[in-house]
Amino acid sequence: KNEVEQSPQNLTAQEGEFITINCSYSVGISALHWLQQHPGGGIVSLFMLSSGKKKHGRLIATINIQEKHSSLHITASHPRDSAVYICAAYNTDKLIFGTGTRLQVFP
Amino acid sequence: NAGVTQTPKFQVLKTGQSMTLQCAQDMNHEYMSWYRQDPGMGLRLIHYSVGAGITDQGEVPNGYNVSRSTTEDFPLRLLSAAPSQTSVYFCASSYSAGHGLFFGEGSRLTVL
Repeated sequence: KNEVEQSPQNLTAQEGEFITINCSYSVGISALHWLQQHPGGGIVSLFMLSSGKKKHGRLIATINIQEKHSSLHITASHPRDSAVYICAAYNTDKLIFGTGTRLQVFP
Repeated sequence: NAGVTQTPKFQVLKTGQSMTLQCAQDMNHEYMSWYRQDPGMGLRLIHYSVGAGITDQGEVPNGYNVSRSTTEDFPLRLLSAAPSQTSVYFCASSYSAGHGLFFGEGSRLTVL
């Protein structure tokens, strides 16, 4: 079993829909990152969370430390949100990655 | 700021050849790391460093060497390339454990 699990693996949506991507982890962490990777592109950190909730534009990330679970929400999704979203748990100087969620948003 | 710079972006090698992937950051970050990304497997840690002169192995270190003689640079060396090392490689840096995390643009390596 992977130490960081994401669901779903693939997600398609119509423009405007509310999106949720989930991440569960089984290790102790000091922080959790949500990353975005566009096709053929680099990787960008969207959020780093150690507790609670963060919001940036249409993106919201939450984390529940007791339940070892984090979610990434996208409100009013847009085709430009199409990318792979990766959660990564920070555990003693090392990042442990989920396998990613491929999101496609259609107009 | 250039951020994290990786070179080369693309490379084709023959089995047994050696090469070095370069990674440089201009943010004075202490933490640097190398990952490989393979389809269906996500990113896996190869080697990492928490400061100049300090390196450690990650999940998949075999076939790779690193050194950290300066804060800015963290090169990844393949001493004798194998087809199993065909992958996309990413370098990352951060100023402390997880804070201010930046990735390079990636290097696509093909070993024939």
